[in-house]
Amino acid sequence: GAVVSQHPSWVICKSGTSVKIECRSLDFQATTMFWYRQFPKQSLMLMATSNEGSKATYEQGVEKDKFLINHASLTLSTLTVTSAHPEDSSFYICSARVPTGADHEQYFGPGTRLTVT
Amino acid sequence: GQQLNQSPQSMFIQEGEDVSMNCTSSSIFNTWLWYKQDPGEGPVLLIALYKAGELTSNGRLTAQFGITRKDSFLNISASIPSDVGIYFCAGQLGGAQKLVFGQGTRLTINP
Repeated sequence: GAVVSQHPSWVICKSGTSVKIECRSLDFQATTMFWYRQFPKQSLMLMATSNEGSKATYEQGVEKDKFLINHASLTLSTLTVTSAHPEDSSFYICSARVPTGADHEQYFGPGTRLTVT
Repeated sequence: GQQLNQSPQSMFIQEGEDVSMNCTSSSIFNTWLWYKQDPGEGPVLLIALYKAGELTSNGRLTAQFGITRKDSFLNISASIPSDVGIYFCAGQLGGAQKLVFGQGTRLTINP
């Protein structure tokens, strides 16, 4: 099946610094990728939809200037958390949509755990 | 944002028992999905449902798409230790491709 990877799997950074998380579709091309955030013992909350070659669409309440998304190729989307603060500590998960599949066919990456100290 | 109501929030059962969990929504969805998430991992798709009333099985798992298109349930028969994890329902609105997730059901199995 389709495989999605994320890098890094975990990262610790100091408050005020920026962190970049990569999401790659390894064996298929993904025109659309999604970024989710999951706090401990909570559900996945969609942050933004990333479309290759165009600007990302952010969900209500998500600061686009703080969470920068770049989908520069059909296999890579990046999420940059700028000026990170402890409240940004969370589990960030991406998913990629198979372009020829049913609408639901989104494959999830293994997630990136961000800890801001 | 929109959210699905998933219950129960947690379950503690004995190995071999059957499990049932469900999701309800005030809105209609065109697709219902059930995922399992292990600790520190991303969700893995278990079952996808496309039509109201549809009943679909995947091994020991069975899920149904409610007639009203506002609910779905997932059953697991004869639970085994590897069934431990968090189960999420997710609904998809027509054409939008965005998934809305339930709060999750944490399943714990006593051997």
